[in-house]
Amino acid sequence: DTAVSQTPKYLVTQMGNDKSIKCEQNLGHDTMYWYKQDSKKFLKIMFSYNNKELIINETVPNRFSPKSPDKAHLNLHINSLELGDSAVYFCASSQARYEQYFGPGTRLTVT
Amino acid sequence: AQTVTQSQPEMSVQEAETVTLSCTYDTSESNYYLFWYKQPPSRQMILVIRQEAYKQQNATENRFSVNFQKAAKSFSLKISDSQLGDTAMYFCAFMKGSSGNTPLVFGKGTRLSVIA
Repeated sequence: DTAVSQTPKYLVTQMGNDKSIKCEQNLGHDTMYWYKQDSKKFLKIMFSYNNKELIINETVPNRFSPKSPDKAHLNLHINSLELGDSAVYFCASSQARYEQYFGPGTRLTVT
Repeated sequence: AQTVTQSQPEMSVQEAETVTLSCTYDTSESNYYLFWYKQPPSRQMILVIRQEAYKQQNATENRFSVNFQKAAKSFSLKISDSQLGDTAMYFCAFMKGSSGNTPLVFGKGTRLSVIA
């Protein structure tokens, strides 16, 4: 069984479109995260949710809107996509002070 | 704010040899955790090893071990008997431990190539 899954794994779209990435974890963890990995491989936190509640929102354009319908799911919706949004987006989950488990990543390419 | 610095963008090692990847960090926290993650070409993030700051003993996991120097804020990763499958990006990461689940702060990574 996959611990943290993301769909889709690849997403190619045009500027101005709206797209969503979905994440699910079956580990029973309380906290979920979205990270962005840029073209230079640098990983940075975007959002963090604990028990469906947003607890961290880094400096991210408000075109990005996370949604957590329940503890096991955290989705990322992106409006009006821009070229600079091209990156790999990772979902992760953790349970109090333990390591974070990452999904396989979604490579988003905006043309 | 915490920062993590990996000063070696790229390294290479011969198969079966030993290599050490460097990591330093800056924090005013007293309770924290440090990690090394591996990202092979498949792009999956894989936990290699974890160290609690309150533990003096260095963590080890099979061929992987760390040299944790708390006063110097240094956390290097040693890979013994390097294998071709160790070829990957390696990220050092910091997590505050005082408030439960907090995000990881990553270094910029070291690209390791293991040469046959």
